[in-house]
Amino acid sequence: EDKVVQSPLSLVVHEGDTVTLNCSYEVTNFRSLLWYKQEKKAPTFLFMLTSSGIEKKSGRLSSILDKKELFSILNITATQTGDSAVYLCAVDVQGAQKLVFGQGTRLTINP
Amino acid sequence: GAVVSQHPSRVICKSGTSVKIECRSLDFQATTMFWYRQFPKQSLMLMATSNEGSKATYEQGVEKDKFLINHASLTLSTLTVTSAHPEDSSFYICSASVIGTDTQYFGPGTRLTVL
Repeated sequence: EDKVVQSPLSLVVHEGDTVTLNCSYEVTNFRSLLWYKQEKKAPTFLFMLTSSGIEKKSGRLSSILDKKELFSILNITATQTGDSAVYLCAVDVQGAQKLVFGQGTRLTINP
Repeated sequence: GAVVSQHPSRVICKSGTSVKIECRSLDFQATTMFWYRQFPKQSLMLMATSNEGSKATYEQGVEKDKFLINHASLTLSTLTVTSAHPEDSSFYICSASVIGTDTQYFGPGTRLTVL
């Protein structure tokens, strides 16, 4: 069974801290890994990763994939209160035409 | 670009009634649309995958006669929750794939409350 596991499930830090969110996966036929940020409504897309070792960056957020060890990390530097959200990791399974989501990491940034 | 809308954003209905939720891709054509359900503090669970012009593929445990999906055009898919019960209360989210890419773009979601 295809599985995506995120850790930690919950994280509380102070503004300005750097956080690392983890996502590991076991799927039959990996195509890509995606990170989403979910605040009150639907998830918004952050990154799609397909190749190992290539860092994707957008402002204070960055992410990298390790296809050998089957995991990805999402880093957020100099966190702000607006970064508080649930961060979802999902794997696109080739041939299955679907995303398998992890449980999410609830990140809380305190001022 | 790649905007997906859902309507309604919130619906409250009585037990036993049917509710239709629309998902539209506003500025692109989507051959495939996906319907997810999310219970409070839980992750998204895929309910079904809908391809334009063909029958939807339902995930295990999802009743196809209860959750009717129609994907009539490249920009519109509908989910009808038939004979809704309080346990169907949830946040329903659709997403759409841009033709030729793998990225899914999500609608804003519909919060269904069944009394």
